[in-house]
Amino acid sequence: NAGVMQNPRHLVRRRGQEARLRCSPMKGHSHVYWYRQLPEEGLKFMVYLQKENIIDESGMPKERFSAEFPKEGPSILRIQQVVRGDSAAYFCASSPRDRTEKLFFGSGTQLSVL
Amino acid sequence: QKEVEQDPGPLSVPEGAIVSLNCTYSNSAFQYFMWYRQYSRKGPELLMYTYSSGNKEDGRFTAQVDKSSKYISLFIRDSQPSDSATYLCAMSALDQGAQKLVFGQGTRLTINP
Repeated sequence: NAGVMQNPRHLVRRRGQEARLRCSPMKGHSHVYWYRQLPEEGLKFMVYLQKENIIDESGMPKERFSAEFPKEGPSILRIQQVVRGDSAAYFCASSPRDRTEKLFFGSGTQLSVL
Repeated sequence: QKEVEQDPGPLSVPEGAIVSLNCTYSNSAFQYFMWYRQYSRKGPELLMYTYSSGNKEDGRFTAQVDKSSKYISLFIRDSQPSDSATYLCAMSALDQGAQKLVFGQGTRLTINP
């Protein structure tokens, strides 16, 4: 049973470009969470999605960031007009149901903004 | 003040030593307490999960929660070089679910052979 798959592992963008991060949850999991890990900081919640629905985006910056989890295909975290402060590791996690703290994390996408 | 405080270390101990990792928190609503282990360039992996106060043991690992002091600990007995990783505490309030997980900064642990 494959784990949570994230790609790319590393993404380099110049300021002003767009970054697209993809996440395929574990088989049978319909709940996806995105977390961001800044250098020397803990993981910070960004957004929680179910298929075709954003359940909670309270941790996501209001501008430039968006997320989706379509009926078919992976979940996408999209960052428009990236800035240096967006450089971080972005982790996706999935769970088989809601209201659970037992998350399964992917290996993350390291975003570097030049 | 951060909701969850964790000493970032680094912590370096010899193989076979008992390791104690700790977190303090300020939100008395937290009811679920977890420890994740994160190897370099990997995602966090759930290690221990406890609800409310008390101890939980799993092999060489013991998780301890003291809600009166708002203090949680992870003990590793007979530590091995393969235990070298960053350990993250995480917690959430009742009925909040995973979207409200609050993580500590992580403690980098090295076990020396």
